[in-house]
Amino acid sequence: DGGITQSPKYLFRKEGQNVTLSCEQNLNHDAMYWYRQDPGQGLRLIYYSQIVNDFQKGDIAEGYSVSREKKESFPLTVTSAQKNPTAFYLCASSIVDGAPMNTEAFFGQGTRLTVV
Amino acid sequence: GQNIDQPTEMTATEGAIVQINCTYQTSGFNGLFWYQQHAGEAPTFLSYNVLDGLEEKGRFSSFLSRSKGYSYLLLKELQMKDSASYLCAVMSVKTGANNLFFGTGTRLTVIP
Repeated sequence: DGGITQSPKYLFRKEGQNVTLSCEQNLNHDAMYWYRQDPGQGLRLIYYSQIVNDFQKGDIAEGYSVSREKKESFPLTVTSAQKNPTAFYLCASSIVDGAPMNTEAFFGQGTRLTVV
Repeated sequence: GQNIDQPTEMTATEGAIVQINCTYQTSGFNGLFWYQQHAGEAPTFLSYNVLDGLEEKGRFSSFLSRSKGYSYLLLKELQMKDSASYLCAVMSVKTGANNLFFGTGTRLTVIP
């Protein structure tokens, strides 16, 4: 079955450590996104990528880094520079071109990161 | 940039009807989505509007007015399982590609 997979579901990190969140999709989508969600809040865009080897900063990119070496994969690294990393992280993918109805974003199940 | 506003919280009674509003300001508008999100889970797609008017899908309907920058999600015959956050998201054409921007979400509580 086609879908988008995030791992791990729960992640604990010590202060000062970098940590990488995985996101893989087999939907053949060109666009991939990372969002951060804090308790009781909406989704805020961290980074997005419309094509392999290219990505753009979203609204809250500071303290995060990404790569897009393969169409299927868009890992997110939370660096030690991110001062408040505890949050729920959601990865999504969508088609770039095509009928607007095809641009629905599909979400992974999320990774809950806690800094200890 | 994008500016998307929705109420933070709403409460409604089981069996009733509730309307969740969303206003937006964006350049390159290319559609508006509504997503449902239960606590700790990923958002799931509910509806999409790109033309003015009402789209009906079972108990859920969504309305769009592009000239007013306004949309609403209408939930009929409310059930307890409808308690969730409802996210309004605007698709904006940016540098030739589509990007999806979310509001902060409306937390709906359905009471008996």
